[in-house]
Amino acid sequence: ETGVTQTPRHLVMGMTNKKSLKCEQHLGHNAMYWYKQSAKKPLELMFVYSLEERVENNSVPSRFSPECPNSSHLFLHLHTLQPEDSALYLCASSQTYRREGTYEQYFGPGTRLTVT
Amino acid sequence: KQEVTQIPAALSVPEGENLVLNCSFTDSAIYNLQWFRQDPGKGLTSLLLIQSSQREQTSGRLNASLDKSSGRSTLYIAASQPGDSATYLCAVRGSGGGADGLTFGKGTHLIIQP
Repeated sequence: ETGVTQTPRHLVMGMTNKKSLKCEQHLGHNAMYWYKQSAKKPLELMFVYSLEERVENNSVPSRFSPECPNSSHLFLHLHTLQPEDSALYLCASSQTYRREGTYEQYFGPGTRLTVT
Repeated sequence: KQEVTQIPAALSVPEGENLVLNCSFTDSAIYNLQWFRQDPGKGLTSLLLIQSSQREQTSGRLNASLDKSSGRSTLYIAASQPGDSATYLCAVRGSGGGADGLTFGKGTHLIIQP
């Protein structure tokens, strides 16, 4: 595997289910991100982890719970979601994390989530 | 708060044409600007990154320009091909953006007709 991988690629879940999204980066990067892409809206940053510590939580509802057990893996735990949470969830990584940084982010293919 | 607008929202042109995609941003205090490509149902691929001190960047048939003072960037695609069909996203990194400083536009959906 190379780059950034995400599993599953598609997920359908009911509002009472609990599921997890997984992201793995094979680039040796130190920062990882979760983004949400809803139809007809710009990409929205959800969480940022740098060296396995959460450095940013962008006002995300508590029904989304991230976990970064090491610098290569990132999870997004989902519970009691709403239909409006249906979206494409993208994971990204970068060599480092600094607000003013000129670093490049590498994105995974995303998980298409549908909440019924 | 930084806002990024991309015009047009959608574009369909015959193969072989040169075309220009536009991106504008409201806060000129940016560190850099990045153009991405997104294929249907897939992640983002970085195309070009322009630092705030630069005026343009080129990669193959792609050329991106940046006019920071006027808050504008253009992505020029020369001799378009059907394989260029995708959504093109513009993102700026600056102090007015999200937690990581990145603010995205909604994208331009491009279709190149064979």
